[in-house]
Amino acid sequence: KAGVTQTPRYLIKTRGQQVTLSCSPISGHRSVSWYQQTPGQGLQFLFEYFSETQRNKGNFPGRFSGRQFSNSRSEMNVSTLELGDSALYLCASSLALTGELFFGEGSRLTVL
Amino acid sequence: DQQVKQNSPSLSVQEGRISILNCDYTNSMFDYFLWYKKYPAEGPTFLISISSIKDKNEDGRFTVFLNKSAKHLSLHIVPSQPGDSAVYFCAALNTGFQKLVFGTGTRLLVSP
Repeated sequence: KAGVTQTPRYLIKTRGQQVTLSCSPISGHRSVSWYQQTPGQGLQFLFEYFSETQRNKGNFPGRFSGRQFSNSRSEMNVSTLELGDSALYLCASSLALTGELFFGEGSRLTVL
Repeated sequence: DQQVKQNSPSLSVQEGRISILNCDYTNSMFDYFLWYKKYPAEGPTFLISISSIKDKNEDGRFTVFLNKSAKHLSLHIVPSQPGDSAVYFCAALNTGFQKLVFGTGTRLLVSP
């Protein structure tokens, strides 16, 4: 069974640009969550989608947005990038949000 | 507001000894707790979980203890092995709100 796939794995952007990250969940998983990992902050919850609907959102500004498609694939977008957005962005999928998430390897974003 | 706290950023243990990782939470509505392990350049992987109706769950070398009155949980690894060296994240879930909250992580180093 293929795992959670995130693309791109690494990217470098400059301040003010925008970025789109993609996540393909494990086949059959309908819940997709996004997390931001930065040193000292652990994993900060961004949002969770289930059947194309955003069910939960973390405490991030409106520059962070996401969506889920009918095939459960998800994208997240960050507009007007700031230096502080440099982080590892992790996507996780599950059959339902029971806590047992399956994580991808992450997309490491560097903002210069 | 950090609802899940891991106050020890790092822990060093000798191979064969016990590793004890601690986690405190503030939200009494959490009813499910999990531990994840993360190696560099990989996404976190689920390790073990415990429901709030239990006070102990064991899986091989890993045991999680929950003390609800103290809002504290711990992960015991016995015996510790060098391959256990990783960052360990504690996470808590309110299954009604479907939102998983992670701690900041503890880096475990098991030396031979």
